[in-house]
Amino acid sequence: SFVLTQPPSVSAAPGQTATITCGENDIGRKSVHWYQQRPGQAPVLVIYYDDARPSGIPERFSGSKSGKTATLTISRVEAGDEADYYCQVCDSSTDQAVFGGGTKLTVL
Amino acid sequence: VQLVESGGGLVKPGGSLRLSCAASGFTSSNAWMSWVRQAPGKGPEWVGRIKSRNEGGTTDYAAPVKGRFTISRDDSSNILYLQLNSLKIEDTAVYYCATVGYCSRPSCYRGYYFDYWGPGTVVTVSS
Repeated sequence: SFVLTQPPSVSAAPGQTATITCGENDIGRKSVHWYQQRPGQAPVLVIYYDDARPSGIPERFSGSKSGKTATLTISRVEAGDEADYYCQVCDSSTDQAVFGGGTKLTVL
Repeated sequence: VQLVESGGGLVKPGGSLRLSCAASGFTSSNAWMSWVRQAPGKGPEWVGRIKSRNEGGTTDYAAPVKGRFTISRDDSSNILYLQLNSLKIEDTAVYYCATVGYCSRPSCYRGYYFDYWGPGTVVTVSS
């Protein structure tokens, strides 16, 4: 089994860019998905298959991957982006889903 | 797409519970479905998955629940179920049902994600 490592917290001022990382030794060979979860609500898919954006998700949200790290980038951060963000992959040997520990985004 | 879970509640350790997830707005019989739970103050944890009937309707479970939890589906009623048996205190969580997104062609399959989620139902295991 493996662990997806996320920073516990990041912060950004309104209008700035927030970057949230998700690390794993073999992440280059896995598809990475990202979720936003506001307090008291269910998670919402914001990026799938590394860099695809579901309909209704603003273009300000983008995903990328390089080396052992996947990154969720939120451009022009807004107060409404304040939430917990989770990355998720599937274990290629068991096909079971694994979530990262989550990152709390604080908008200053 | 709308998913609504029900059936949560307070149960003693060792007890059982059956959760339901009513689906609407899509052809649920063609969909893979999953249950994901989230313990208080923790991140989401995958519980299990059931494939569509025309893909065998097979199920997979996370190690902590395998042998205790069972996922089933009633496609005629568009309802997904999660039977929870031999409950432990550590099973306390919000339980979400979710639709599973994936590329259905074997040549492009590279794992899956959860594209729609219900609001969740709370399960509390306590004596």
